[in-house]
Order: sequence, then C-alpha cells, then structure tokens
Amino acid sequence: DAKTTQPTSMDCAEGRAANLPCNHSTISGNEYVYWYRQIHSQGPQYIIHGLKNNETNEMASLIITEDRKSSTLILPHATLRDTAVYYCIVRVAELRGGSEKLVFGKGTKLTVNP
Amino acid sequence: NAGVMQNPRHLVRRRGQEARLRCSPMKGHSHVYWYRQLPEEGLKFMVYLQKENIIDESGMPKERFSAEFPKEGPSILRIQQVVRGDSAAYFCASSPGINQPQHFGDGTRLSIL
Repeated sequence: DAKTTQPTSMDCAEGRAANLPCNHSTISGNEYVYWYRQIHSQGPQYIIHGLKNNETNEMASLIITEDRKSSTLILPHATLRDTAVYYCIVRVAELRGGSEKLVFGKGTKLTVNP
Repeated sequence: NAGVMQNPRHLVRRRGQEARLRCSPMKGHSHVYWYRQLPEEGLKFMVYLQKENIIDESGMPKERFSAEFPKEGPSILRIQQVVRGDSAAYFCASSPGINQPQHFGDGTRLSIL
C-alpha cells in the first residue's frame, strides 16, 4: 500500500471548516483513499473513501486532486466533538480482495477550539 | 442496527495466564479483522478472517496468539501465556465483503500484571 503523509497536528475554531490534507504521491490506479478518525479511547470510526471523484456524505467531503497524489478531508462545520486523530489510508482494491488490512500511520491530531 | 461488539471492554490478567477476547461483527458482516494498538502508537493489523477461515495472518505473532471465527458465534482472539508486552488495546473490525469499509468496535483494553 502507498505511503501517506499528514501534518502531525492542526487546530480549528468551532463552527469553521476543518481542512485536513494528505499526500499520497505514490498511489496506484487501483488504490482507494480512506479516512478514519479515532476519538480518545474509542475505536476508529470510518468517515469516507474515494477513488478519483470527489465524495460527500453526512460527515464530511473528500476532495481528491486530478493527479490523485493528494487529497483533503473537509469537515464543513467543526464541533468540539470532532476533536480526534484523523487517519488518511490508501488501500488497494482487487477483484478477489487483495490486501484487506488497513495500514494506519500517525495521523493528524485535530483540536477544535471553542 | 448494533455496531461491532467487543467484550470484555477491560481485561486484567497475570503473567502466564490466558486472555480470550471476543468480537461480534455487525449484522450481515462476514469478514472480521483484528488490530492491536500499543500505548502511544498507531493501530497495527494482526489477522483477517472470514467464517471458519483465516485469510491473512501476516500481522500475528508466531507464538502464543491465535484467532478463530467459527460458523456460529463470535470471533475469538486468544493469547496464551500472556506477558507484560501484550498490554494493549485490541480492536476488532468487520465488513460485509471485500473492498468494503471496515467498521470498528470500541476495543478490549488488556492489562497484564
């Protein structure tokens, strides 16, 4: 799986948009970009994933650059409960199910301030 | 629609004892994954199972650790003769099939005295 690079930490004001970047310059054509977050002492929570098109769901939006070498997770109106470690993961998708494991890096510690 | 259920939430064992961690996947999910998170570190993949089959155990320590996902009942991660270094949070995830998002439980925190 391709390696990802994320900032160690970020701060965001409550009510503002949080934009979390991720670099994955060695991503392959059959690798998806997944985002998870882990709130202290809880299990990782799935947020969103995408291949090359931008995606949006009730939690967040995912913007993937045209060359797929980077992406941005957007939380449109951050709340204090969004304080967590956010993980960007690239994961290969194969017809027979390839490497199903998720490879977690160190992620970005997002702190939402009142 | 219940999520992934893990029990116990906290488990304390003395060195040399056995630890058994249970995971019930989400309804309709037949793929189970176990991960371990050591203090102040990221999650590390251990094993991937489908019903009655181990598909990928590349992250499992070669000794003392085993996992199963029987036809009936929860998936079990078993650690024999526990040592202090086994102290960690163990997370289970499930998915309905390949190439699908994995959904995690809230983990079992294992402490070894």
